[in-house]
Formats: sequence, structure tokens, C-alpha cells
Amino acid sequence: DAGVTQSPTHLIKTRGQHVTLRCSPISGHKSVSWYQQVLGQGPQFIFQYYEKEERGRGNFPDRFSARQFPNYSSELNVNALLLGDSALYLCASSRGSREADTQYFGPGTRLTVL
Amino acid sequence: AQSVAQPEDQVNVAEGNPLTVKCTYSVSGNPYLFWYVQYPNRGLQFLLKYITGDNLVKGSYGFEAEFNKSQTSFHLKKPSALVSDSALYFCAVRDMHAGNNRKLIWGLGTSLAVNP
Repeated sequence: DAGVTQSPTHLIKTRGQHVTLRCSPISGHKSVSWYQQVLGQGPQFIFQYYEKEERGRGNFPDRFSARQFPNYSSELNVNALLLGDSALYLCASSRGSREADTQYFGPGTRLTVL
Repeated sequence: AQSVAQPEDQVNVAEGNPLTVKCTYSVSGNPYLFWYVQYPNRGLQFLLKYITGDNLVKGSYGFEAEFNKSQTSFHLKKPSALVSDSALYFCAVRDMHAGNNRKLIWGLGTSLAVNP
């Protein structure tokens, strides 16, 4: 089975623009989580979706939004990009939303904001 | 506050020697603990987790971790290091506070360098 896939791999935007990042979970997984990883730090939780409903939201501004589709794929949208949004954005999928469920990560999307 | 600490920014070990990457945690209740590895410009790969049961957890690629409740630690170990183990290792703990989304709390990572 294919792992978690993310697109695009790399993205360069300018300040003020909008970006959409995409994620396809492992087949059979119903939960998708999004993380932001700045160089030299651990991942920071942004959102979790399960069965198309938001189950958790991290400490990120309203410029960040996400959704999950009926096929369990997900999009992360970021509006009004700032230089500080430059980071590796990671998507993770899990079978469910229980605390013990293992999250499996995709390769990430490297976003550079100029 | 729920937290996880990786006290060493970098660990250096010779190939063939045992390795240990340290992790300590602070959570209320029983902890759910995870180890992940990240290779350059790649996503995170799951290694192992402790939920309950045996304190010694075996995972992928020959790694294992020992849960020590009294010392609130969950150190990652491997009996014989390989050069290919050189990577960034992250420890994470599940935040069990209902108001905190039960999200994963991550350490800052430990860079492991295995020298030939």
C-alpha cells in the first residue's frame, strides 16, 4: 500500500499570497492531521480531521484553515502569507482519532515565502 | 504543563557501538509515548510507541525503547549502530488534557551521528 502522499513537494510564494497544500492518507485511514515544522524545531500541531469533521486545532491564526473530503484526503489553506509561514508542512494519517493511534507522516511540502 | 524534553541536541557514536537517545516527559496520567526518525528533507518515520504493558518496546530497524515510570523517561536504544542510522530523532507524548485536543507534544529533536 502507498504511504501518505503530499503535493506539491516544494512551493515558493510571496507575502500576501494564498496557498493550498494537499494530502492523501494511507488507504483505510480516516484521520488526517497537519503539522508545521520550522527548521531546528519539532512539529507544531495545526489541525486534526476525522471523518470530515475537525477534531482539534492548534494555536495558529485564522489564516490557516483545512478541510477533509469524503475520500478522506485533505487540504490545508493558508491566506495572507507571511515570511514566518516558511516551513515544512507535514500531513499525517491514522486509522482513527484515538490517543493510542499511530500517526504516519507524508514527505511534507516545503513552503518558502519571499 | 505537559511537556517532553530531549536533553541532548546531538549524539555521536561509532558504528557498531550501542546508542542511546534520551527522552523525558511530564504528563498527568498514563503517558502515550512515541519515537520518530527524520532523514534530511524527509517526513517523519514511525519507530515505536509505548501505550501500556511491557516496559521494553521493540520497534522498526532494530530500535527499542525502555519506559521508566519512576524516572519519567523513554530512552531510545539500539545495540549496534549503523552509519545509516544517522538522522534526527524525535520523541513525542500525547497530551491527554481534554481541552488540548489530545495532540502530540514533540521534543526539539536529537541529531544522531554514527561515525564509520
